[in-house]
Amino acid sequence: GNSVTQMEGPVTLSEEAFLTINCTYTATGYPSLFWYVQYPGEGLQLLLKATKADDKGSNKGFEATYRKETTSFHLEKGSVQVSDSAVYFCALSGPYNQGGKLIFGQGTELSVKP
Amino acid sequence: DTEVTQTPKHLVMGMTNKKSLKCEQHMGHRAMYWYKQKAKKPPELMFVYSYEKLSINESVPSRFSPECPNSSLLNLHLHALQPEDSALYLCASSQDMWRQRKREGSTGELFFGEGSRLTVL
Repeated sequence: GNSVTQMEGPVTLSEEAFLTINCTYTATGYPSLFWYVQYPGEGLQLLLKATKADDKGSNKGFEATYRKETTSFHLEKGSVQVSDSAVYFCALSGPYNQGGKLIFGQGTELSVKP
Repeated sequence: DTEVTQTPKHLVMGMTNKKSLKCEQHMGHRAMYWYKQKAKKPPELMFVYSYEKLSINESVPSRFSPECPNSSLLNLHLHALQPEDSALYLCASSQDMWRQRKREGSTGELFFGEGSRLTVL
């Protein structure tokens, strides 16, 4: 079945450091891939998405590229801010003709220190 | 309008109380979801409504009772809950449900509300 594996947290960085959160997936066909972010005390917000191989999703300085050859969708940001402290969830939705339920990774907590 | 609105934001209830959580969206989405989330864990799917009909019940105990009065509203009725039911309850919506996705290019993106934080005493 479909699954998502994220690097475990918590991840602690200093402000302006480079961020990578690894995400790999297992799926049949061509899933859509997402990063959701959850700030403290809030619901989930879609951060970025990619719907086909080699697509790059980007938003708020975050980027992730859909790599089919490595089945990965790693999240990166060149310079993190304290306000980026949150829990980040990688997720996939399988193709429509294969029952594409949204599957979440376990989440990675990011803490950015001033 | 790209919002999913949930009320109340916080709810404290005793094990004998009856309460309801409410969710509303005006994006014309035809699929609506209830998720349960424990702290810093991924959301767990509870129910899915598609075109106002219950399509998925992920073996949720009967003390949770969903209701979809119309295409914009989703309720979750709570009765005789246990302390372990304390969690963040998230409502979400999407254009359509994965099993009924009619066209290529439908990404399966879910739009989430801010959640209702429930504490059962």
